[in-house]
Amino acid sequence: QVQLQESGPGLVKPSETLSLTCTVSGVSINSFYWSWVRQPPGKGLEWIGYVSNSGTTNYNPSLKSRVTMSVDTSKNHFSLRLTSVTAADTAVYYCARDVGGELFGYYYGMDVWGQGTTVTVSS
Amino acid sequence: DIQMTQSPSTLSASVGDRVTITCRASQTIRSWLAWYQQKPGNAPKLLIYKASTLQSGVPSRFSGSGSGTEFTLTISSLQPDDFATYYCQQCNSYPLTFGGGTRVEIK
Repeated sequence: QVQLQESGPGLVKPSETLSLTCTVSGVSINSFYWSWVRQPPGKGLEWIGYVSNSGTTNYNPSLKSRVTMSVDTSKNHFSLRLTSVTAADTAVYYCARDVGGELFGYYYGMDVWGQGTTVTVSS
Repeated sequence: DIQMTQSPSTLSASVGDRVTITCRASQTIRSWLAWYQQKPGNAPKLLIYKASTLQSGVPSRFSGSGSGTEFTLTISSLQPDDFATYYCQQCNSYPLTFGGGTRVEIK
C-alpha cells in the first residue's frame, strides 16, 4: 500500500523559509513524478510544482521565484522549500503522486495523497 | 495559465438525486481532465481521469464526460457518503490548475 507522509514545522515566521518533507512508503520514489499542492483555509487547491525521480522540476510561475523542490532517492523522500513566506502562504500543504508527467507523454492526475500538514505563517 | 471554472459553487441535493457539476476550461484541454472529491479535513481523492475514466475502486454511480472546454461530473444517485466538495483539474499543460470547487450539501 502506497503511503505519503508530510513532515515539517507547523509554524513559520514571516520572511523565513518553509521546509517540508514527504516520505514515501510502499513504493520506490523512482519512476514517478511527485507534486506539492496547497490549500489555504476555506479555499481551493493550488498546484505548487513537481519533482521527478531524477530531480527534474516544474514550478507554478506564481511561486517559481521562491520555490525549490528536491528528491532523495536513498531516503525515498522528496522536499519542498518556500522562501520569504508571508501570511498568504498559510495553508494545508499536501504531497501527492503524479500519474504520468511530461516525460511520460500523458498526465492523469494525482492518485495518492498525503494527509496534509498545516503550516501557519505568523510571528 | 488555463483557467478552470466550476458551476455551481454550491449544490443542495437529497439522497437519491441525480447531480451534475460543470467544469469549463479557458482553452481547449482535449480530454485531459481529472475530478477529485474532498471531504472536510481530508486530502482530495482522485475519482476520474482523462475526462471519463473511473479511477479504480470508485463507485460506478460517478461518471464524467466532455472534451475540449466543457466537462461534467455526474453522480447518478447521490449517497450519504457523497456529500463533499468536488474539484476539476486540467491535466493538459503546466501549470496544472484546479477549478474553484463545488460543494454538494444536504438539502
